[in-house]
Amino acid sequence: KQEVTQIPAALSVPEGENLVLNCSFTDSAIYNLQWFRQDPGKGLTSLLLIQSSQREQTSGRLNASLDKSSGRSTLYIAASQPGDSATYLCAPGNKLVFGAGTILRVKS
Amino acid sequence: EAGVAQSPRYKIIEKRQSVAFWCNPISGHATLYWYQQILGQGPKLLIQFQNNGVVDDSQLPKDRFSAERLKGVDSTLKIQPAKLEDSAVYLCASSPTGSNQPQHFGDGTRLSIL
Repeated sequence: KQEVTQIPAALSVPEGENLVLNCSFTDSAIYNLQWFRQDPGKGLTSLLLIQSSQREQTSGRLNASLDKSSGRSTLYIAASQPGDSATYLCAPGNKLVFGAGTILRVKS
Repeated sequence: EAGVAQSPRYKIIEKRQSVAFWCNPISGHATLYWYQQILGQGPKLLIQFQNNGVVDDSQLPKDRFSAERLKGVDSTLKIQPAKLEDSAVYLCASSPTGSNQPQHFGDGTRLSIL
């Protein structure tokens, strides 16, 4: 049974900082891993999807890496902005099993 | 492209009553998912459809929850009778067929049980 842990549970940073969100999972037999953001009262928005054959994926200021063998993924956010404030969730595998998320607050 | 549509946005009922949620996926998306998200937790998959067939319903409490996807498009999720622990946001998502396709989520239905 896949178990997903996200660290830290919450993070508060000043605007402009670079930051790293961590995700670990127990079952490395996955096709892909997705990172999502969730704004209050909203559904999830897919940010990045990393296929198992890839090691990283980039979109704008976001970069996600995947190390299947160690069961880890990181989401790197460069030059954080107040608009990045949200909950970030990772989900390994097609049968998405979510972590509890990291609540990010970027202060202006 | 239009996103995943869900209704209602909010629902308040008393325990032991019944409730139904509706989802219209993105046009052309063969796969449809229902998730339950309890406050402070990540979403938990309840059921996955491929067209109008069930792929995975292993975490659906079948004594009280049911779901259908007639004609492989819209879907409804029903709870009967509702319990206090069913208070949550119910999210619908859809994706194209294929193992590396991202899921697209609706804004969910927030259910409160009194």
